Amino acid sequence: GAVVSQHPSWVICKSGTSVKIECRSLDFQATTMFWYRQFPKQSLMLMATSNEGSKATYEQGVEKDKFLINHASLTLSTLTVTSAHPEDSSFYICSASSTREGVYTDTQYFGPGTRLTVL
Amino acid sequence: AQTVTQSQPEMSVQEAETVTLSCTYDTSESNYYLFWYKQPPSRQMILVIRQEAYKQQNATENRFSVNFQKAAKSFSLKISDSQLGDTAMYFCAFTLYSGGGADGLTFGKGTHLIIQP
Repeated sequence: GAVVSQHPSWVICKSGTSVKIECRSLDFQATTMFWYRQFPKQSLMLMATSNEGSKATYEQGVEKDKFLINHASLTLSTLTVTSAHPEDSSFYICSASSTREGVYTDTQYFGPGTRLTVL
Repeated sequence: AQTVTQSQPEMSVQEAETVTLSCTYDTSESNYYLFWYKQPPSRQMILVIRQEAYKQQNATENRFSVNFQKAAKSFSLKISDSQLGDTAMYFCAFTLYSGGGADGLTFGKGTHLIIQP
């Protein structure tokens, strides 16, 4: 299958600091990556769509200056939470769609998620 | 905008039984994809099954099958011979056909499925 990794799996930071989360496609090239947010016992909400080499597209209500997304290569997208506050504490999940033959190109494969706690 | 509704917050069945999870969606588009994802306690999202809207034939993957009713905008998941490892949150998800690859997913609120020994 298509494997997606995230790093770190869990991060604790102080209010006002910035945190970077990495999302990597390990065995395929991903022209498109997605970032989701999941609050406890809730569903996933799409935050933004990231295309390699271009600016991310943010969903309505998502602050693009707070959640900086960079998709610098076909295997790496990063989400930086700037000036984090306790309300930014959440579970952040990335996904990627594969361009590899034999894997559904219309299907998203998810990373294991990153738990962010802001004190 | 598309919406996905899962009306069963929680379901519980005995091991080896068959269980059906419901999902309805709303869209004015005709080309789209539907998915069921499983999220166990590890929180890793796992693809269970996918369905292209243009295909009338219901998708099947081993013990998992769907009942796709396009006119009714219904997409239910049937799990046969349920196993303890099937215990998880199950999310129904929708995405439009974008012509070149995947598009963002809209998820339902999820159904917590518990398989009892």
